[in-house]
Amino acid sequence: NAGVTQTPKFQVLKTGQSMTLQCAQDMNHNSMYWYRQDPGMGLRLIYYSASEGTTDKGEVPNGYNVSRLNKREFSLRLESAAPSQTSVYFCASSWLGENTEAFFGQGTRLTVV
Amino acid sequence: QKEVEQDPGPLSVPEGAIVSLNCTYSNSAFQYFMWYRQYSRKGPELLMYTYSSGNKEDGRFTAQVDKSSKYISLFIRDSQPSDSATYLCAMSLSGSARQLTFGSGTQLTVLP
Repeated sequence: NAGVTQTPKFQVLKTGQSMTLQCAQDMNHNSMYWYRQDPGMGLRLIYYSASEGTTDKGEVPNGYNVSRLNKREFSLRLESAAPSQTSVYFCASSWLGENTEAFFGQGTRLTVV
Repeated sequence: QKEVEQDPGPLSVPEGAIVSLNCTYSNSAFQYFMWYRQYSRKGPELLMYTYSSGNKEDGRFTAQVDKSSKYISLFIRDSQPSDSATYLCAMSLSGSARQLTFGSGTQLTVLP
């Protein structure tokens, strides 16, 4: 049981390049999330998908787009990468509703030069 | 002012010490309080989950919530080198994972 799997684990981009971060979960969860983690800032929600077919903005959505491809997969796209998007990105999933635990992937370390 | 404040550390203690990790918050509407543990180069994992005020114990770990002071704590008894990690507090209004507000994390090292 892999849980939440993210690819790639590491990536270096040049300013202006685009890329898609992939996330898949095998726990049959309804909800999926994308966070970024920066030093001194904690985890901040970029986008989430409460259930298949829906996506909503989180705290820091600018510069990102998402796609909930199916129940298992939730991708994050950077259309034109900027140095300010250098961060560690975490995908998470949970059951829908209250009192639910979020399960995190191992993260993608992205550097934009 | 951040909604959740957490001392970033780093905190270094000898093996067997009692560790106290703390967070303060400003939103009195928070009802659910969590502690996540994050090992180096890994994703966070849920360690403790409490609702409203009071204490919750799980083995060597005790989570304490004081809503009147807007203050939460995690105590680790008989700390082990395997406890070395970053500890993140998190809280939410409804307990829904989509409403989590995280602290910035405290880096803990337990020295053998």
